Amino acid sequence: DAGVIQSPRHEVTEMGQEVTLRCKPISGHDYLFWYRQTMMRGLELLIYFNNNVPIDDSGMPEDRFSAKMPNASFSTLKIQPSEPRDSAVYFCASSLREKGFNEQFFGPGTRLTVL
Amino acid sequence: AQSVSQHNHHVILSEAASLELGCNYSYGGTVNLFWYVQYPGQHLQLLLKYFSGDPLVKGIKGFEAEFIKSKFSFNLRKPSVQWSDTAEYFCAVNDMASSASKIIFGSGTRLSIRP
Repeated sequence: DAGVIQSPRHEVTEMGQEVTLRCKPISGHDYLFWYRQTMMRGLELLIYFNNNVPIDDSGMPEDRFSAKMPNASFSTLKIQPSEPRDSAVYFCASSLREKGFNEQFFGPGTRLTVL
Repeated sequence: AQSVSQHNHHVILSEAASLELGCNYSYGGTVNLFWYVQYPGQHLQLLLKYFSGDPLVKGIKGFEAEFIKSKFSFNLRKPSVQWSDTAEYFCAVNDMASSASKIIFGSGTRLSIRP
């Protein structure tokens, strides 16, 4: 089975540019999560969706960040405009809630560098 | 506020030494508990999980964890570590009462094994 797929794996951009990160969750999963990982702040939950609907976006740092899930098999995280402090590894994870249990499966991550 | 604490930020051991990584959480109700591992340059992978039943949980690669409800702890153990166990380890908690979908991660413990 294919796991969570993220693209691109690496992104280098200049400050002020728009960045779009993509995620394909595991087929059949009904939850999708976006995380950001940095040395300083560790692993932070940015936003998560249930059945394509955003449930909690309290972790989104600023209005420059936005996320969408137009269908069950695709989600995007957009940063516009990007800033150097956005440099991090961004992980997408998906899960299927069964019997109240919610194990998350992580994608390989996108390493973003903003110059 | 709800939180997960991993008190050891960096642990350095020699091969064949025994390992115990601490994890404490602050939720009072029903919880699901996880340990994830992140090998250098890779994504997070599930090491083991506790849902219910036997509080001593066996995971992959010889790891185990014990859920002690009275101490709000879920410490990770391995009797004899290998160089390949060098990684970052994250404890995580899923609070069933407040949000059964959201997992809160600890700040991580970096484990370095000297060959």
